[in-house]
Amino acid sequence: GAVVSQHPSRVICKSGTSVKIECRSLDFQATTMFWYRQFPKQSLMLMATSNEGSKATYEQGVEKDKFLINHASLTLSTLTVTSAHPEDSSFYICSATTSGGGDTQYFGPGTRLTVL
Amino acid sequence: GQNIDQPTEMTATEGAIVQINCTYQTSGFNGLFWYQQHAGEAPTFLSYNVLDGLEEKGRFSSFLSRSKGYSYLLLKELQMKDSASYLCAVTTDSWGKLQFGAGTQVVVTP
Repeated sequence: GAVVSQHPSRVICKSGTSVKIECRSLDFQATTMFWYRQFPKQSLMLMATSNEGSKATYEQGVEKDKFLINHASLTLSTLTVTSAHPEDSSFYICSATTSGGGDTQYFGPGTRLTVL
Repeated sequence: GQNIDQPTEMTATEGAIVQINCTYQTSGFNGLFWYQQHAGEAPTFLSYNVLDGLEEKGRFSSFLSRSKGYSYLLLKELQMKDSASYLCAVTTDSWGKLQFGAGTQVVVTP
C-alpha cells in the first residue's frame, strides 16, 4: 500500500515553455501533498504544501506565479512550471500523507526536468 | 531558524555497523523521520520517532532524545546495497511539513 506515482518521470523542454507534473496517490486518499525540489548532491527543499480544495502554501522564496499548484482531488495534485528556464532544471518530487502531523509521507518517484 | 545537521559522508566496510547522527534545532517538533535515497531516486521511508528511545526494525534502528535535539540511525550488518544517502527530517507542524537535513552519504566498501 501507500504508493505515490508521478508523471512524467523525465521531461526535456525548451526555455519559455510550461511543464505540468502530476502526482497521484494510488491506493489512499491524500489530504495533504507536498512538492519538493532537489538539485544535484543537495537535499530536498520543500516548495509548497498542497491541501485538497484549497490554495497551496508556498515556502519563502518560491514564486507562486511561476510554480502553479492545483490539488483538485484527494488523489491528484499537479505542479506546473510556467515559462521554464534552465535554472529550473531539477529533480521535482512530490509526497503525500493521509493526515499530516506525524503521519508518514510517501514519496513519488520524482520527475527529472531539463530545460534547454 | 531551522537547523538540521548531519555528517556529509561516512565510509564503512561490508558487515560492519555505522551510526549516523542528526542534531536539530527547530521551532516546534512533531516527529523525526529517517529516509534512504539512492542516487536519482525518491526517498524511501526507514523510520519514525516521536517519543524518546530506540525503535528497532531489522538491521536498522533509530534513536531519539527530544531534550537533546538528537537522533541517530544505526545500520547493522552493512550490505553493499546500503550505499546511499540517508536523510534526517523533522516535522514541525500539524500538516506534517518536513524539514530535511543535507543528507549523509554512506559508502559501503567490500
